[in-house]
Amino acid sequence: GENVEQHPSTLSVQEGDSAVIKCTYSDSASNYFPWYKQELGKRPQLIIDIRSNVGEKKDQRIAVTLNKTAKHFSLHITETQPEDSAVYFCAVTDSWGKLQFGAGTQVVVTP
Amino acid sequence: DAGVIQSPRHEVTEMGQEVTLRCKPISGHDYLFWYRQTMMRGLELLIYFNNNVPIDDSGMPEDRFSAKMPNASFSTLKIQPSEPRDSAVYFCASTQTVTGELFFGEGSRLTVL
Repeated sequence: GENVEQHPSTLSVQEGDSAVIKCTYSDSASNYFPWYKQELGKRPQLIIDIRSNVGEKKDQRIAVTLNKTAKHFSLHITETQPEDSAVYFCAVTDSWGKLQFGAGTQVVVTP
Repeated sequence: DAGVIQSPRHEVTEMGQEVTLRCKPISGHDYLFWYRQTMMRGLELLIYFNNNVPIDDSGMPEDRFSAKMPNASFSTLKIQPSEPRDSAVYFCASTQTVTGELFFGEGSRLTVL
């Protein structure tokens, strides 16, 4: 089955700096790569996603890049703000529709 | 739409008791997923359904766990008998397409004493 590895497990950044989270996967047939944000005590919510025919996608301060050859994709958050503090999960959908999540990254933005 | 609705929100039970968690997906969503979240193991996929049919239950921990989807608007996850290691937050989620946004319920926090 699909194996999704996510790094780092925790990330502390100064407000205004950038944060980068990286995920690798094993199934070359995977074709959909979403990122979810989970605030403390809340449900995970989609923040951005990318499909296998696209290399990069941006939405305001967040962006995702995909390298299909190397089987990794990354989340970039620029100009971080305190409200960006949360746990971020990458996920991978294989060709059968099975969505597997990475272990999560705890992001702490300090003022 | 009210979103994915789960019940109960919190359940505290004693070891050996049966636990039933319920989920109502968003109307029109053909896929329904059950995830378990713990600090140690993160978000684990337990089982998912497509058009009410279980597609992959390889994540179900053991025979004590079972899930059903009798119709498009209702699913249950049952644990019998429950054990302390089953304590976790159980999320139900639904989506219209597997390459689209997954909508999570608020979760059911289970504590087994």
